[in-house]
Amino acid sequence: GESVGLHLPTLSVQEGDNSIINCAYSNSASDYFIWYKQESGKGPQFIIDIRSNMDKRQGQRVTVLLNKTVKHLSLQIAATQPGDSAVYFCAENIGELTGGGNKLTFGTGTQLKVEL
Amino acid sequence: DTGVSQDPRHKITKRGQNVTFRCDPISEHNRLYWYRQTLGQGPEFLTYFQNEAQLEKSRLLSDRFSAERPKGSFSTLEIQRTEQGDSAMYLCASSLSGGKNIQYFGAGTRLSVL
Repeated sequence: GESVGLHLPTLSVQEGDNSIINCAYSNSASDYFIWYKQESGKGPQFIIDIRSNMDKRQGQRVTVLLNKTVKHLSLQIAATQPGDSAVYFCAENIGELTGGGNKLTFGTGTQLKVEL
Repeated sequence: DTGVSQDPRHKITKRGQNVTFRCDPISEHNRLYWYRQTLGQGPEFLTYFQNEAQLEKSRLLSDRFSAERPKGSFSTLEIQRTEQGDSAMYLCASSLSGGKNIQYFGAGTRLSVL
């Protein structure tokens, strides 16, 4: 079946370095993507989103890149801090650009560990 | 706090018992979603409401599961005759239609079925 998945289950980075978390999706009909951060015992927290009519979007210390040709999404975190340690999920949605948009389909997540 | 609120945070029950969870969405949000998350996995969609109408249900939502949103505000998720396989985190999210479908999540209700 079609799914959203992540290449790396665990990513360890040094404090201050940049982090790149990758996500592959297989549903070509997906037109909206969201990155969420989930800390232990908490619900997913919205980080940044991107529509399929864009290929890059920047936020504060975070950038999302979308490559529709190879169905690949990445989240870049600049100057990674200890507080960035969490599990990161990408999620896809279908119908965003046509006024719909309901359920999100999540990947399995990447654990980001920031070493001091 | 005007975020999504879920109650209880934790629920321990014995197999065969019924449980009910409550979700209060962000006040101006008309869409409300329920997801289930097991350890090490991403959330899985269960069902969603737009106002009081339940518009979609996943096949994960067996006959033992029922969700309601009677007045288009808070929602309840009931599980009847709980099974050990129902043990999971149940997450609620809300969003506002007409704009981006950014879903904001609550902290979840962790269910343990003994």
